[in-house]
Amino acid sequence: GQNIDQPTEMTATEGAIVQINCTYQTSGFNGLFWYQQHAGEAPTFLSYNVLDGLEEKGRFSSFLSRSKGYSYLLLKELQMKDSASYLCAVRPSYNQGGKLIFGQGTELSVKP
Amino acid sequence: GAVVSQHPSRVICKSGTSVKIECRSLDFQATTMFWYRQFPKQSLMLMATSNEGSKATYEQGVEKDKFLINHASLTLSTLTVTSAHPEDSSFYICSARIQGAGEKLFFGSGTQLSVL
Repeated sequence: GQNIDQPTEMTATEGAIVQINCTYQTSGFNGLFWYQQHAGEAPTFLSYNVLDGLEEKGRFSSFLSRSKGYSYLLLKELQMKDSASYLCAVRPSYNQGGKLIFGQGTELSVKP
Repeated sequence: GAVVSQHPSRVICKSGTSVKIECRSLDFQATTMFWYRQFPKQSLMLMATSNEGSKATYEQGVEKDKFLINHASLTLSTLTVTSAHPEDSSFYICSARIQGAGEKLFFGSGTQLSVL
């Protein structure tokens, strides 16, 4: 089966750093995505990892370990607007194009 | 700006009626679009893959006769929820992948369906 796990909720302080973990067990692997979703809105793309290691993009970084079935999203210098749900998603097969399996999302609350 | 346009953004309808949701790719051709559904506090669940000019591929447990998908052109896919019931109330989102734009999926703005 397909299984993607991430914490349901997290709370952090403005200006701090927060790490959101994601573990996955899927029938195949051809990339892992992180999306940000504000309530009632569509997800917006944050990052993509297909090889092991860290991908950095401004205040956001994403890490992947394929052997461990593990990824994390690191958010630095947290801002109030970063309060949102963060979705981890795995693409099991390249041949199926954009078909993604999503985790349940991590609701991040940033407090002053 | 948005590369995938989805309409309507919100629909309220009576039980038993049918609702059509449109998903358009702007300035690019999408041979494949994906329809997701999201219940409150839950993640996105893939419903079906919409293929231009052919039948959609439905995920296990999704009723193809209830959720009709038409992908008649390279820029438009529609999802029709037939004989809607309150349990169909959900957030429906389409997405498309642009050739040559990397690996990311572009999502429409979503449609909040409320069936009374």
